[in-house]
Amino acid sequence: SQTIHQWPATLVQPVGSPLSLECTVEGTSNPNLYWYRQAAGRGLQLLFYSVGIGQISSEVPQNLSASRPQDRQFILSSKKLLLSDSGFYLCAGGRDNSPLHFGNGTRLTVT
Amino acid sequence: KNQVEQSPQSLIILEGKNCTLQCNYTVSPFSNLRWYKQDTGRGPVSLTIMTFSENTKSNGRYTATLDADTKQSSLHITASQLSDSASYICVVSEYDKLIFGTGTRLQVFP
Repeated sequence: SQTIHQWPATLVQPVGSPLSLECTVEGTSNPNLYWYRQAAGRGLQLLFYSVGIGQISSEVPQNLSASRPQDRQFILSSKKLLLSDSGFYLCAGGRDNSPLHFGNGTRLTVT
Repeated sequence: KNQVEQSPQSLIILEGKNCTLQCNYTVSPFSNLRWYKQDTGRGPVSLTIMTFSENTKSNGRYTATLDADTKQSSLHITASQLSDSASYICVVSEYDKLIFGTGTRLQVFP
């Protein structure tokens, strides 16, 4: 079965510092991959999605970027974090009409 | 703009009671509709997934319905349990892009 690995689970970073969150997928090949952010008490906001290596679609203009260097690896990055980047970041993966599997998330606090 | 709207925003019920959550969407073209359960601080877990040709799908005490003509879906929870307390999220697929509703926060009290 498919498993989404995300790390770290929690992260505290100062404003202006860089960010790199990694997500890897196990148990399937060529998945569609997604990065979501969830502010406290709010719904999930789609940030990026990828249908293949090197293919990234951005949904929300911001200071974040995503990359997919390998089929099962999806990375969320920032060169300089803002306070507003704080939130709960979720990576998800799936194929076509199959259930989407989520990682356990990374709680990012920018101070 | 493609949207997914859920109601109610929050709901409190007593253990053992049934409840129904609603989802209206304007997403087009439409590939499939999913319901997820999200416990606080955790990633969502899939409950059901339906294509446009399916009207109903069950997963234990959870039953989802879909009316693709009116673009409405519902999630019915039967004989609620304390462990059903969570956020329930409706997700509509526009090809490879998933559009999430803001969820319904369900609390089940003893």
